Amino acid sequence: GAVVSQHPSRVICKSGTSVKIECRSLDFQATTMFWYRQFPKQSLMLMATSNEGSKATYEQGVEKDKFLINHASLTLSTLTVTSAHPEDSSFYICSARRGPNEKLFFGSGTQLSVL
Amino acid sequence: GQQLNQSPQSMFIQEGEDVSMNCTSSSIFNTWLWYKQDPGEGPVLLIALYKAGELTSNGRLTAQFGITRKDSFLNISASIPSDVGIYFCAGPGGWGGGATNKLIFGTGTLLAVQP
Repeated sequence: GAVVSQHPSRVICKSGTSVKIECRSLDFQATTMFWYRQFPKQSLMLMATSNEGSKATYEQGVEKDKFLINHASLTLSTLTVTSAHPEDSSFYICSARRGPNEKLFFGSGTQLSVL
Repeated sequence: GQQLNQSPQSMFIQEGEDVSMNCTSSSIFNTWLWYKQDPGEGPVLLIALYKAGELTSNGRLTAQFGITRKDSFLNISASIPSDVGIYFCAGPGGWGGGATNKLIFGTGTLLAVQP
């Protein structure tokens, strides 16, 4: 199956700093990538949908100025958590697909801890 | 909005036992997906269902697409220790549960298997 690589797998940062998470589709071109957030013992909650070359579509309640998403190429999307605070500590997971109605492939996630 | 509720929330079983879990929706879905998530990893697709009444197997796993299109079931036979993890149902989000761009996840069922 297709491979989606997420980096870093774990990051610890100080409150107030910004953190960038990368999501790459290694062996296919992803027209759409999705970013999810998962708190401990909870489900995956969709944050935003990212289409290559256009602005991301954010889910209700997700601050677009806080969670900056860039999908500049067909193989890379980035999520930047700006001015991170402890309540942003969570497991962030990306997923990617070739096109509409195509299978979704998930990255291995990034555990963000904000001190 | 759409919700996918899973039951039970958690299960603690002995190795060799069969497991059954279900997922119900507040609206009709045209596709049901079952994922497994290991700790600190992204979810991995187990089974996909595309038609009401469909029964699909993947090794020891069997899933069914409910006739009402508002529920789905996952069964695991003869459980083994590596079955441990969180099992999520998922379906395409959007009005009427039809094919849209995004995937929403159920609340999850935590499975623990004692050797």
